[in-house]
Amino acid sequence: QVQLVESGGGLVKPGGSRRLSCAASGFSFSDYYMTWIRQAPGKGLEWLSYISSRGLSIYYADSVKGRFTISRDNAKNSLYLQMNSLRAEDTAMYYCARLLEAYGDYYAMDVWGQGTTVTVSS
Amino acid sequence: DIQMTQSPSSLSASVGDRVTISCRASQTINAYLNWYQQKPGKAPKLLIYVASSLQSGVPSRFSGSGSGTDFTLTISSLQPEDFATYYCQQNYNTPWTFGRGTKVEIK
Repeated sequence: QVQLVESGGGLVKPGGSRRLSCAASGFSFSDYYMTWIRQAPGKGLEWLSYISSRGLSIYYADSVKGRFTISRDNAKNSLYLQMNSLRAEDTAMYYCARLLEAYGDYYAMDVWGQGTTVTVSS
Repeated sequence: DIQMTQSPSSLSASVGDRVTISCRASQTINAYLNWYQQKPGKAPKLLIYVASSLQSGVPSRFSGSGSGTDFTLTISSLQPEDFATYYCQQNYNTPWTFGRGTKVEIK
């Protein structure tokens, strides 16, 4: 079945780094744009970044631009989020999601992983 | 950045009720609007995309409408499994932004 599984979360000290991974299965990963979203404890959803199917187009939210890097390896059916210079406010559940494309340029997050938790604390 | 304002932030309703949730964009976003449902401890689930298209597998009691700046999610007859938090999200331009959510609780 179509599935996304995140990994790599954990406890990180402020200023530290962490790399999240998202393993895709059950669909042709290289055909889809992919995205990362996070949710701080008790808060709403925040979009972070998306990457096109071949990795040629990448966009970031201002809150993570310059600190986080999205990437993908289509041969490994995997999406990544390299997070540097982590801050307490980066503490959240991090989700990867597949982007459904409709009518050429409408996008929606149609498949989500279960999430991986990142806690930034000394 | 485009601000997405949802109302109400929470509501209480009974099984069988008709429920409407509003979402307003700070500028026109045409139909670049999606709706998601999230239950506690779970990942969000896509309900509606392009403002009014029902995602495959989502019950027909869910519907979306609107264009421009004002959008609505309607649940025609609330079911026990529909108690959750609902988010709108624009993909008109980056940064993509979500509303703050509407929590639907049992009356």
